[in-house]
Amino acid sequence: QKEVEQNSGPLSVPEGAIASLNCTYSDRGSQSFFWYRQYSGKSPELIMFIYSNGDKEDGRFTAQLNKASQYVSLLIRDSQPSDSATYLCAVTPLGNQGGKLIFGQGTELSVKP
Amino acid sequence: GAVVSQHPSRVICKSGTSVKIECRSLDFQATTMFWYRQFPKQSLMLMATSNEGSKATYEQGVEKDKFLINHASLTLSTLTVTSAHPEDSSFYICSAFAQHLQETQYFGPGTRLLVL
Repeated sequence: QKEVEQNSGPLSVPEGAIASLNCTYSDRGSQSFFWYRQYSGKSPELIMFIYSNGDKEDGRFTAQLNKASQYVSLLIRDSQPSDSATYLCAVTPLGNQGGKLIFGQGTELSVKP
Repeated sequence: GAVVSQHPSRVICKSGTSVKIECRSLDFQATTMFWYRQFPKQSLMLMATSNEGSKATYEQGVEKDKFLINHASLTLSTLTVTSAHPEDSSFYICSAFAQHLQETQYFGPGTRLLVL
């Protein structure tokens, strides 16, 4: 079992729809959760982080965390073609103080005009 | 804030030569820097973790004598690909970590290496 799992996609949604990206993790002691966006040919950029159970909203993005079920998700409202990218879920393992992250393989999102 | 630069952005070299890639945190001091490699259509692969003033910790399967890492200061780490071969052609990305910055990694723009 991979430590952090994501559906590789591609996930295709029409412009204006809600895109839902999911991630599950195996380490129950994980404390911090991050979503990165990576455009083709570019490096990842941090778009959201969440530490506590529940929802966290930032503009069109909402991160959801459920530690009991060990999943974290990212919702993108009013999806735009510019949101087309690969979204990487990353998790900090328990006890890790050195910044190491465990990355999922990423979900490719395609927003169709 | 949390800006990380890499230089060069792109390099083409002949097989057998060495290539040095620099990673700098521009507006913060990074306690740790990470080096990743990414092949087309594949996920990030962590190569090594680098702390200022100490030896890098390499991931399993990564040759430490081939990928030399030097972390001279809290704002600079370098990766040298020694005796590069075509199979080393890849996208190399560094990231920097500082505890006070959301406890996560901030990535440089990456260096695309092509070995002929």
